[in-house]
Amino acid sequence: QKEVEQDPGPLSVPEGAIVSLNCTYSNSAFQYFMWYRQYSRKGPELLMYTYSSGNKEDGRFTAQVDKSSKYISLFIRDSQPSDSATYLCAMSEQAGTALIFGKGTTLSVSS
Amino acid sequence: GAVVSQHPSWVICKSGTSVKIECRSLDFQATTMFWYRQFPKQSLMLMATSNEGSKATYEQGVEKDKFLINHASLTLSTLTVTSAHPEDSSFYICSALTSGRADEQFFGPGTRLTVL
Repeated sequence: QKEVEQDPGPLSVPEGAIVSLNCTYSNSAFQYFMWYRQYSRKGPELLMYTYSSGNKEDGRFTAQVDKSSKYISLFIRDSQPSDSATYLCAMSEQAGTALIFGKGTTLSVSS
Repeated sequence: GAVVSQHPSWVICKSGTSVKIECRSLDFQATTMFWYRQFPKQSLMLMATSNEGSKATYEQGVEKDKFLINHASLTLSTLTVTSAHPEDSSFYICSALTSGRADEQFFGPGTRLTVL
């Protein structure tokens, strides 16, 4: 079993839809959880960062972490065509250590 | 702030040659840099961790004699792919940590390597 599981999609939604992206993981020692957005042939860009369990909101983006279920989510409200990209979840046990990434979910938002 | 650059952005080389990829932190000092590799439709996989002035730590399965990493200064790390083969063709991405924000990695734009 891989440490981090993420459905690669692709996921296609109309503009304005609410998007839900998810990852599950097996390592209970993970404490730091991130969501990155990656456009084709570009490096990942940090979207959301969460420490331990809980919710975090930033504009149209909400990140949720449920450590008891080993499950994290990213919600995108009022999705826009510019949100079309690959979304990667990533996590680590300690700050300052390498990240373990999910495979990424490809999202397409149509206008 | 917190910009990481990579050079070159893409490179094509012949099998058997060596290629050097540079990773620079432009506006901060990077205490640690990570090198990842990403194959098409796959996730980023950590190759090695480098700390300034120290030998890099390689992940299991990554040949340290093939992928030479040098972190000579707090703003520059280099990855040299020696005797490259077509199976080394991939997207190589570096990330950097700053001591001020140890919980956030800043990623470079990546280098696409194609070995013919």
